[in-house]
This record gives sequence, structure tokens and C-alpha cells, in this order.
Amino acid sequence: AQSVAQPEDQVNVAEGNPLTVKCTYSVSGNPYLFWYVQYPNRGLQFLLKYITGDNLVKGSYGFEAEFNKSQTSFHLKKPSALVSDSALYFCAVSVNNDMRFGAGTRLTVKP
Amino acid sequence: DSGVTQTPKHLITATGQRVTLRCSPRSGDLSVYWYQQSLDQGLQFLIQYYNGEERAKGNILERFSAQQFPDLHSELNLSSLELGDSALYFCASSPGGLAPEQFFGPGTRLTVL
Repeated sequence: AQSVAQPEDQVNVAEGNPLTVKCTYSVSGNPYLFWYVQYPNRGLQFLLKYITGDNLVKGSYGFEAEFNKSQTSFHLKKPSALVSDSALYFCAVSVNNDMRFGAGTRLTVKP
Repeated sequence: DSGVTQTPKHLITATGQRVTLRCSPRSGDLSVYWYQQSLDQGLQFLIQYYNGEERAKGNILERFSAQQFPDLHSELNLSSLELGDSALYFCASSPGGLAPEQFFGPGTRLTVL
């Protein structure tokens, strides 16, 4: 069965600095990988996904993620963090329409 | 606004009771997913329906059941409620295709007293 891990419960960065939110996965076969963001009292919002092709995927709000097959990772990145990026971020892996989410990483961007 | 609607927003009930949560997917989406989000369990996939048929099953308890109707709206039924069932319940929908992204509703917050 597929699984996904987010090794950091919390990530703190200063506004304007680059940010990385880490994700590793375990799956049989080719993974379909996703990032979602959840703001307080809201549902999850899709940011980006990797199915195949270019290892660097660009998504909403200036976020991007790099697929690394050898390290089974799919880290979320942004060159310059904004205070408004503060939220809960979820990595997910999908196999046969069964999507499994990581535990989430709370990102706090301080002014 | 994702286009997915869920009712009610909040639900407070007692142990042993039964409740029904409702979800209307985005226009044109055939798949509906149900998730439970709690502090200790995180986001758990419960079940997926595609065009009225059950497609995938996750960590759904036997006390819980769901269905998708011909108009594509879906209902999640929770019975014999326990304190531990208190959580946020999300519905999501997606179009068909290869690994489609899911669009989440605002959730129903269930409190079991």
C-alpha cells in the first residue's frame, strides 16, 4: 500500500526567504503526487501535482515541487515566502484513485 | 470557492445517534470522495464514489456508510456515534481522467457529546 511522510510538523521561515516543505513517499509502481494547502477553517486547496515528465512541477501561488525518484521525495518549494503563505500543507500520493495524505506540515512565515 | 458544497456546516449530537452529511460536487465532476480530519488521526480517506458506484474504500468504519445518487450528490451516514467520531468531515470531487486533482468542500464539523 502507498504511504506518504512529512517529516516536519512545523516549518518556520522569515518573509522573503526561500521555503521548503518536505515529503517522502512509498508506493509500488509510478506515483502520482500532489500538494494541497489548508487555511484555517477551510477545505484543502490543490496546489500542484506530478504525474510524469519534467521533475520540476510549477503550481499555484508561486509554489513548485521537485520530484526525485531516487530519493522518493517530492518537496514543496517557494523562492520567496509571504506571510500569507502561512497555512497547513499536505502532501498526497494516489494509486488507483486511493489518495493517501501525509500528516501535514504547518508553515509559519514571520514578517 | 471550490464549487463543492457541504451541509450542514456544523452538527452537534449525542452519542448513539445517527447523522447524515450531504455533499454536492462541482458541476460535471463524477467522482466524490469523503475524508475525516481529526487532530489525532490527521486526514483519513473514507470512501470514493464514481458516477453512483463505489470505486475505492479507505479507513471507513462499519458504522459509516455512503452513497452517491443519480444527480451525483452524495451522503455520508454515520450511526451509533461515539465521542471519537467528532471531527471535520470533508467531501471532495474530481473529474475523470488520470490522477485528477480533487476539489474540497468547506467541511462539516461534527461534535458528538
